[in-house]
Amino acid sequence: ETAVFQTPNYHVTQVGNEVSFNCKQTLGHDTMYWYKQDSKKLLKIMFSYNNKQLIVNETVPRRFSPQSSDKAHLNLRIKSVEPEDSAVYLCASSSPGQAPDYTFGSGTRLLVI
Amino acid sequence: TQTVSQSDAHVTVFEGDSVELRCNYSYGGSIYLSWYIQHHGRGLQFLLKYYSGNPVVQGVNGFEAEFSKSDSSFHLRKASVHWSDSAVYFCAASLYKPTFGKGTSLVVHP
Repeated sequence: ETAVFQTPNYHVTQVGNEVSFNCKQTLGHDTMYWYKQDSKKLLKIMFSYNNKQLIVNETVPRRFSPQSSDKAHLNLRIKSVEPEDSAVYLCASSSPGQAPDYTFGSGTRLLVI
Repeated sequence: TQTVSQSDAHVTVFEGDSVELRCNYSYGGSIYLSWYIQHHGRGLQFLLKYYSGNPVVQGVNGFEAEFSKSDSSFHLRKASVHWSDSAVYFCAASLYKPTFGKGTSLVVHP
């Protein structure tokens, strides 16, 4: 099956802890993304990698750091989580070309207590 | 700078009704517009896109959208909705990074 896979589905943690989310795509795409979706469903891009190279780095707190070992994997680490980090984190990848198709994972829901 | 505006936060219809979900954009470059659907607790799924050519594009499950340069719009339509179409719909404008609208929650009553 070709798709974007995210783990874990849910994660509950306390303020100040470190968390890591994994994302893998088996579509052969070169570009991957992390989006944050808040409780109002607003989507904000956080990072984008093309073939392991960071190409988009929006203004996010420094405690967020993406990690890419190869073009099929893009993980997200949050060092010392804050309550406002509670959200759904969506990973996506895109096909090459002028009008790429974006494929999203099912998301990782983070709750910081 | 690219912006996407979805003027309706919520739309409620009955099964079998037609529906139009509105999307307006402002973008200074080449136009690439798309629509996505998000069912509760799931990721976004691609519905359709427009880049060039015929301004009316067909997507999955009977959805279509029409690009209008004069109106800066890319509205999504379906002639006859099903209860399973209940979801949040996102319009996006993008080239190297998609910018999403705020989403429109569609509720279809049986």
